[in-house]
Amino acid sequence: GDSVTQMEGPVTLSEEAFLTINCTYTATGYPSLFWYVQYPGEGLQLLLKATKADDKGSNKGFEATYRKETTSFHLEKGSVQVSDSAVYFCALSVNTGGFKTIFGAGTRLFVKA
Amino acid sequence: DGGITQSPKYLFRKEGQNVTLSCEQNLNHDAMYWYRQDPGQGLRLIYYSQIVNDFQKGDIAEGYSVSREKKESFPLTVTSAQKNPTAFYLCASRGTVSSYEQYFGPGTRLTVT
Repeated sequence: GDSVTQMEGPVTLSEEAFLTINCTYTATGYPSLFWYVQYPGEGLQLLLKATKADDKGSNKGFEATYRKETTSFHLEKGSVQVSDSAVYFCALSVNTGGFKTIFGAGTRLFVKA
Repeated sequence: DGGITQSPKYLFRKEGQNVTLSCEQNLNHDAMYWYRQDPGQGLRLIYYSQIVNDFQKGDIAEGYSVSREKKESFPLTVTSAQKNPTAFYLCASRGTVSSYEQYFGPGTRLTVT
């Protein structure tokens, strides 16, 4: 069945470090891929998305490229800030025989000053 | 401002009582969703509705009930049959058929003692 696997956390980085959070997926059909971010005590917010192979989603310095050949959608940021501390969720959505969204388990990021 | 509101932010109930969580959206979205999130875990789908007066069970519907009498509203009732109701509950909506991203409310933290 469809699934999303993302790296376990927590990930702890110093400010200005490079961030990568790995995400791989399995899906029937042609999914759209998403990264959502959840700050403490809040709901999820869409961070970025990509709807087809080789698309790059970007927002607030974060980027992720839809790689069909490796079924991956890794999240990257060149220089993290303390304010980026949050939980990041990778997700896919597909509409084959009914619409559904599958979320990964989430990766908690701590950024130290 | 368009968005999703959930109320209250914090809710406390005694064991054996039913409780209803509110979710309202003014985004004119057709589809609405309820998720449960436990500490350090991902999202699990409870119920969803693609259109008014219709809804389907998600992965963990036992002990929960919903209604969708109006497009804007999708309340969730946590019944006394739900064995472990203490959790963070998130409501989300999705727009058109071609739009796959979900928009989330701020969540309600339910504590049952």
